[in-house]
Amino acid sequence: QEHLQESGPGLVKPSGTLSLTCAVYGDSFNYNHWWSWVRQSPGKGLEWLGEVHHDGNTNYSPSLKTRLTISIDKSKREFSLNLISATAADTAIYYCASLQTRSGNFFDYWGQGALVTVSS
Amino acid sequence: DIVMTQSPLSLPVIPGEPASISCRSSQSLLHTNGYNYLDWYLQKPGQSPQLLIYLGSNRAPGVPNKFSGSGSGTDFTLKISRVETEDVGIYYCMQALQTPTFGQGTKLEIK
Repeated sequence: QEHLQESGPGLVKPSGTLSLTCAVYGDSFNYNHWWSWVRQSPGKGLEWLGEVHHDGNTNYSPSLKTRLTISIDKSKREFSLNLISATAADTAIYYCASLQTRSGNFFDYWGQGALVTVSS
Repeated sequence: DIVMTQSPLSLPVIPGEPASISCRSSQSLLHTNGYNYLDWYLQKPGQSPQLLIYLGSNRAPGVPNKFSGSGSGTDFTLKISRVETEDVGIYYCMQALQTPTFGQGTKLEIK
């Protein structure tokens, strides 16, 4: 059974960098997945942020691409998110998730979510 | 970006009664392979989202058959044949034809 686990600071200062890492446990760390970040602002819906493939290719939400970097470390079975110039609007629960692409495209596994607050 | 629009946004249901959620996309989600790249997720209170339906009408492993997905192109529907208290939560449709975008969510509650 696959398992994703987010980690990182729960508090970030305004204009600082929001950094999170997602550890992947199980057998799915392969070419059939895009490793993704999705966030949920307080009381709001789900927003896809971006993704990284096993080969290092990335895609980003147009609204965040100037501030967001997603990377992968295959040796550690991890992928990471770095969002620069954070503001209060970036306060959210951040989920890492795996997008399965072998039979359609869908998120088959999600982390439990990490609450990040941007505040001084 | 493909815009996803759900209705209703709030759905009170009596236990044992059916429920239906509509999802419309701003562009067709029909891939050249003949499949519609539309998924449905349920986010139960305090939990991460979980996959219910993929490719428009395929139930994810372990999802009870009271959940069904239908539709094609730009119009899709999620139906629950008999709502139970454990079905409470927010239901999201998501297009996966391009970089993913979600609907606003439909909050199902027990009446």
